[in-house]
Amino acid sequence: RKEVEQDPGPFNVPEGATVAFNCTYSNSASQSFFWYRQDCRKEPKLLMSVYSSGNEDGRFTAQLNRASQYISLLIRDSKLSDSATYLCVVNDQGGKLIFGQGTELSVKP
Amino acid sequence: SQTIHQWPATLVQPVGSPLSLECTVEGTSNPNLYWYRQAAGRGLQLLFYSVGIGQISSEVPQNLSASRPQDRQFILSSKKLLLSDSGFYLCAWSPKSSGGNSGLYSNQPQHFGDGTRLSIL
Repeated sequence: RKEVEQDPGPFNVPEGATVAFNCTYSNSASQSFFWYRQDCRKEPKLLMSVYSSGNEDGRFTAQLNRASQYISLLIRDSKLSDSATYLCVVNDQGGKLIFGQGTELSVKP
Repeated sequence: SQTIHQWPATLVQPVGSPLSLECTVEGTSNPNLYWYRQAAGRGLQLLFYSVGIGQISSEVPQNLSASRPQDRQFILSSKKLLLSDSGFYLCAWSPKSSGGNSGLYSNQPQHFGDGTRLSIL
């Protein structure tokens, strides 16, 4: 089993749609969780940290389910500019961050 | 605010030539530093990390080496490049853990430089 698994997509959605990404992780001892966004041929950029109680930043909502070992990212009212690859990131027991392969999102007009 | 600079942005090198990529961080001290490689259509692979000056840990056996001669400077090198060294190289930094752990473990996110796209011919 991969340490961090994501549906690679692509997810093709119209503007204004709500889209959800899920990510599963294998290490039950992981403590730190993040979502990054990576535009084509660019560096990954931190989108948001994921907290146990769930957290929201504008149109973006992140949830953590420790019992089932998965993280989710919900994007409401999708914009064309949301088109990117979304990376799920989890820390391992040694403290390193493990990056998922990413889920590609394409928002169409 | 903290910034991370990485150069060059693009590099084309012949097989067997040497390599030196440089990364510097500003606006912070004693950061954890990282080198990643991302092959086309693939995920991020951690190559090296450093928790302090002169302290380098290698994640995978390879044709590359890293050095940290100053607190906020991280260099990726190779004596002889291989075709398989092609890829997108990313430098990243993170602050030490908010819990005071001075080692690799950090509950803080990492922040990336713009990356270097390396093509080997």
